[in-house]
Amino acid sequence: DGGITQSPKYLFRKEGQNVTLSCEQNLNHDAMYWYRQDPGQGLRLIYYSQIVNDFQKGDIAEGYSVSREKKESFPLTVTSAQKNPTAFYLCASRGGTSPLRSNEQFFGPGTRLTVL
Amino acid sequence: KQEVTQIPAALSVPEGENLVLNCSFTDSAIYNLQWFRQDPGKGLTSLLLIQSSQREQTSGRLNASLDKSSGRSTLYIAASQPGDSATYLCAVTPISSGSARQLTFGSGTQLTVLP
Repeated sequence: DGGITQSPKYLFRKEGQNVTLSCEQNLNHDAMYWYRQDPGQGLRLIYYSQIVNDFQKGDIAEGYSVSREKKESFPLTVTSAQKNPTAFYLCASRGGTSPLRSNEQFFGPGTRLTVL
Repeated sequence: KQEVTQIPAALSVPEGENLVLNCSFTDSAIYNLQWFRQDPGKGLTSLLLIQSSQREQTSGRLNASLDKSSGRSTLYIAASQPGDSATYLCAVTPISSGSARQLTFGSGTQLTVLP
């Protein structure tokens, strides 16, 4: 079964703690993305990576960090510097081989992070 | 900067009704437009992808149209069912995003189909 997995589904963080959200894909896609979703709002881009060992900041990167050591994996760390981290976090990948599908993004099931 | 708007924010219809969801975007320089479905607490499911050179795409009871010159897209759902209840999100890939191909999202329309 090809797809994107995210873990954990729910995550609770105390103030001042760093937490890491996992994202794994077996679609052989080159590009991966992290989005944040707040209630009643669209998704906003945090970070993206087009290739292993390379990543770029999105619109709201402050307080977050990522790594891309393997093609399949793109973990997101929410640091204590992120002042309002409670949100729903979605990971996506892109990279279909067909020219018509190469721009289509596929999403994981999400991780809901709550700060206690 | 590209902006995507979806109106209305919420819509309730009786079962069996045909309905149209609207999406507008401010910059017509896009690679494509995607419609997604999101169930409560879940990730996004891609419904339809329309390339910038296309006018419409169809999948089952869903039909999406694209009018790039006017900056509009519609998602038509035929013979709606309670199982269609979800939030529908529209997103474009601006040409300005370059090779990153990052999406710009609307805030969604929450659809409720009443039995």
